[in-house]
Amino acid sequence: DAKTTQPPSMDCAEGRAANLPCNHSTISGNEYVYWYRQIHSQGPQYIIHGLKNNETNEMASLIITEDRKSSTLILPHATLRDTAVYYCIVRSPRGETSGSRLTFGEGTQLTVNP
Amino acid sequence: IAGITQAPTSQILAAGRRMTLRCTQDMRHNAMYWYRQDLGLGLRLIHYSNTAGTTGKGEVPDGYSVSRANTDDFPLTLASAVPSQTSVYFCASSEGLVGTDTQYFGPGTRLTVL
Repeated sequence: DAKTTQPPSMDCAEGRAANLPCNHSTISGNEYVYWYRQIHSQGPQYIIHGLKNNETNEMASLIITEDRKSSTLILPHATLRDTAVYYCIVRSPRGETSGSRLTFGEGTQLTVNP
Repeated sequence: IAGITQAPTSQILAAGRRMTLRCTQDMRHNAMYWYRQDLGLGLRLIHYSNTAGTTGKGEVPDGYSVSRANTDDFPLTLASAVPSQTSVYFCASSEGLVGTDTQYFGPGTRLTVL
């Protein structure tokens, strides 16, 4: 699976959009970009994933550049409860018989300030 | 829908004792996983199961065993606990689809081995 690079920390004002960048310059054509977050002392929470098109769900939007070498997770209206470590993960599609592990890097500590 | 439940929430255990961490999911997911999370090392896969009746080793399986007697339950057993097994343990599950396959995590078990 491709390696990802994220800033170690970011701050955001409550109510503003939080834009979390991720570089994955060695991504392969069939690898997906996943985002998870982990609020302190809780289990990782799935946010969103995509392959090449931009994606949006009730939690966030994912913008993937045309060359797929980087992506941005957007939380449109950040709240204090969005304070967490955000992980960008690039992973291969699951095969028929393979065990599919997630490799979490260091992530970005997002702090939403009042 | 409860999703994934884990028990106990936390446990202090004497070295050499046997311990089973429980994990139950109600999403009828085919695949289940056990990870441990340690500061500076991220999440590491211990064991996984692609479907009921099958299990496989992850990247750090030594000292741990699992079973998958049915779809819902995936217990993790430490036969003789050692202090290096002090960690936070997360169970996860996924549909087990070929291709994109999203993993969902439980709340975790914090284990301390003295």
